[in-house]
Amino acid sequence: QVSLKESGPGILQPFQTLSLTCSFSGFSLGTSNMGVGWIRQTSGKGLEYLATIWWDDDKYFNPSLNSRLTVSKDTSNNQAFLKITSVDTADTGTYYCTQVPGCNSFDYWGQGVMVTVSS
Amino acid sequence: DTVLTQSPALAVSPGERVSISCRASEGVNSYMHWYQQKPGQQPKLLIYKASNLASGVPARFSGSGSGTDFTLTIDPVEADDTATYFCQQSWNDPFTFGSGTKLEIK
Repeated sequence: QVSLKESGPGILQPFQTLSLTCSFSGFSLGTSNMGVGWIRQTSGKGLEYLATIWWDDDKYFNPSLNSRLTVSKDTSNNQAFLKITSVDTADTGTYYCTQVPGCNSFDYWGQGVMVTVSS
Repeated sequence: DTVLTQSPALAVSPGERVSISCRASEGVNSYMHWYQQKPGQQPKLLIYKASNLASGVPARFSGSGSGTDFTLTIDPVEADDTATYFCQQSWNDPFTFGSGTKLEIK
């Protein structure tokens, strides 16, 4: 069965870079039309789509955060990665990784990782 | 961005039928998806592409609509359906979510 789990620093300071890892099983990013997406849930904006990395290394970003986001993958180890540069308190929230099929629904979600940005 | 508007809250009794609406500020074809989120849990996909039941989801859940107006229906409602329900569109850039409808079971 499909399973995903996010991991990350928990707490970081303003202007630092947030690095998150998504470790998954039950599917492969080597499979055609498969992707891993990143979504966050904040008290300010609710659920917010961030980015997707696809099986062929194509990437899609939310334009409002585009310049701050980087996504990458390690197909052989079933991992995907998200980096957000220059964080501030508005980036505080729960970050989820998801399995993404071709129609861009978010089929399976990880349990989420809480990230707090505080000085 | 495409704004998805949902009513904030609904309250129904077990055994009743409930319809949760989602209105998009511009057309999204049939690329509307529905999720259930219980307190302290991650969202769970219920319906994809407007009317397709996700794997393992009970047939009590159904979806309809196209263009700008969509509905998630639960019939009959059970006590375990207490949750917040979100719609999400993937037709327009960027993908967006509604603010959620909190469903209370009386």
